[in-house]
Amino acid sequence: AQSVTQLGSHVSVSEGALVLLRCNYSSSVPPYLFWYVQYPNQGLQLLLKYTTGATLVKGINGFEAEFKKSETSFHLTKPSAHMSDAAEYFCAVDSQGGSEKLVFGKGTKLTVNP
Amino acid sequence: DAGITQSPRHKVTETGTPVTLRCHQTENHRYMYWYRQDPGHGLRLIHYSYGVKDTDKGEVSDGYSVSRSKTEDFLLTLESATSSQTSVYFCATKPGLGADNEQFFGPGTRLTVL
Repeated sequence: AQSVTQLGSHVSVSEGALVLLRCNYSSSVPPYLFWYVQYPNQGLQLLLKYTTGATLVKGINGFEAEFKKSETSFHLTKPSAHMSDAAEYFCAVDSQGGSEKLVFGKGTKLTVNP
Repeated sequence: DAGITQSPRHKVTETGTPVTLRCHQTENHRYMYWYRQDPGHGLRLIHYSYGVKDTDKGEVSDGYSVSRSKTEDFLLTLESATSSQTSVYFCATKPGLGADNEQFFGPGTRLTVL
């Protein structure tokens, strides 16, 4: 069965600093991978996704993630944090390549300090 | 946004009472999902639907039932609410299978069972 591990339930960075949120997955077949963001009191919205092709994926709001098969990782980065990036971030895997269901990690709450 | 509404947005109820949450979508998406979100657990799938009157269980389906009599509506019922079902419930939709089909999320329903 597929699973997702997000290292660090809370990450705190200073405004302007690098953001790095870690995600490792397990899957027996090539996965589709997703990052979602949840702002306070809102639903989730898609940041970016990897399906096939280029392993470096760019998303909205300056975020990007790199699929590394050898490390079974899909870490999310942003070069310079902004106060508006404060939110909870969820990594998800669809390990059947466009199947019906996603498996979500437990989330990482990002705090951005002025 | 995929035009997903959830009702009610907030509900407080007592143990043992029945509760029905409604998800309504305007995008004619084939798939609909109910998740619950709890601190430290991320999002967990309760039930999902792959068409009108076609539903299946997720990982935390005990104590919940669902119905989908129309494409646009997906109902989640707690037959006899318990305090362990206090949570935030999210509905999601997905157009179909395949790499370009992401899940879109509603705004959530906060349910408190006293």
